[in-house]
Amino acid sequence: DAGITQSPRHKVTETGTPVTLRCHQTENHRYMYWYRQDPGHGLRLIHYSYGVKDTDKGEVSDGYSVSRSKTEDFLLTLESATSSQTSVYFCAISGGQEGYGYTFGSGTRLTVV
Amino acid sequence: GENVEQHPSTLSVQEGDSAVIKCTYSDSASNYFPWYKQELGKGPQLIIDIRSNVGEKKDQRIAVTLNKTAKHFSLHITETQPEDSAVYFCAANTGGFKTIFGAGTRLFVKA
Repeated sequence: DAGITQSPRHKVTETGTPVTLRCHQTENHRYMYWYRQDPGHGLRLIHYSYGVKDTDKGEVSDGYSVSRSKTEDFLLTLESATSSQTSVYFCAISGGQEGYGYTFGSGTRLTVV
Repeated sequence: GENVEQHPSTLSVQEGDSAVIKCTYSDSASNYFPWYKQELGKGPQLIIDIRSNVGEKKDQRIAVTLNKTAKHFSLHITETQPEDSAVYFCAANTGGFKTIFGAGTRLFVKA
């Protein structure tokens, strides 16, 4: 996906360990989002950012934290991974707050064993 | 709370036929309705969107209609092709950062 990359693409980790996923954009967009995708649930918002060091919680934020120290990078941290956090994680960017579509990254498949 | 229901969950059509996916939203304040296509192993991609002041929008073989009174919006794909096979998500933006996604429709186009 042009302008937005996620790393790693795949990760297996053990229960109780911290995990950090990275989202990097080259579009200079102000707004960035972290979603998780699970079968039957569509996409659910974890956290979002509306500027450097400006972040807020989404609908499924428990157990997750985020940081944004630069416009281009948005990090998602699972403080102590649990099996319920096994999912596919997508980062997205948008050019505005309302009425703008998202550009999604290719996703990170995380498995917690 | 706010909710977007999407139907059907699976849709199988013959190549060349039309496909229709329907969504219903609960928050009457919703004002922006994007549709995304997700191919296997990739992130969702925006394919078309509609704003609440418009009833219909077309882009080649795809169209979206919106009925604000009934809180329904639909995606129409005409002359389907095998490359249209994917998962499609509807979404409703209720203002600010709140975008609610439907659960998705898996579309199969049989050649």
